[in-house]
Amino acid sequence: DTAVSQTPKYLVTQMGNDKSIKCEQNLGHDTMYWYKQDSKKFLKIMFSYNNKELIINETVPNRFSPKSPDKAHLNLHINSLELGDSAVYFCASQYRGARADTQYFGPGTRLTVL
Amino acid sequence: AQSVTQPDIHITVSEGASLELRCNYSYGATPYLFWYVQSPGQGLQLLLKYFSGDTLVQGIKGFEAEFKRSQSSFNLRKPSVHWSDAAEYFCAVVGEGGSYIPTFGRGTSLIVHP
Repeated sequence: DTAVSQTPKYLVTQMGNDKSIKCEQNLGHDTMYWYKQDSKKFLKIMFSYNNKELIINETVPNRFSPKSPDKAHLNLHINSLELGDSAVYFCASQYRGARADTQYFGPGTRLTVL
Repeated sequence: AQSVTQPDIHITVSEGASLELRCNYSYGATPYLFWYVQSPGQGLQLLLKYFSGDTLVQGIKGFEAEFKRSQSSFNLRKPSVHWSDAAEYFCAVVGEGGSYIPTFGRGTSLIVHP
């Protein structure tokens, strides 16, 4: 019973292609996130959705478009992939009602752009 | 704005030795502080968190952390390290405001020698 799941786990693609990563959580949380972890392990918040509404949109190229069909799902679509997009992308979920609530992370999707 | 500094990029210890991972934060008011662990190929998992009360916090896997306001620190400790503790460790701070988005440190990689 995986709490936060992501597919695919690995994604290898050519520059210029369009790809999607899917995320699902079964924790009943109301908030979901996308993070990018670069090769130096630095974690950077990309987007946050609360009850299907976008609440955080950090400085991310508009080639990245998140979509939340319902509270349990947050997908990430990337257009015109570039070499610099190679990273590990993590989905996370949280109950946003309390400041101290834990974020639960998915296992990550390792994206390699050739 | 809040920030987190993990001054050690890598820490190497022998199995059975004690461990202390450093974390310093910058935040004007009382921070909410977290330690997460990332095992190889996995997402982040919460070890422990502090938001009020006793400044010595116990977590999972035998870890503990102590909040020291005077030093703006939240160092993670374990009295006896096991080989399975080899992982990346992230300190995070959540400030006030509506977003409750954590700011992560750059991470400390723990290497355990037999």
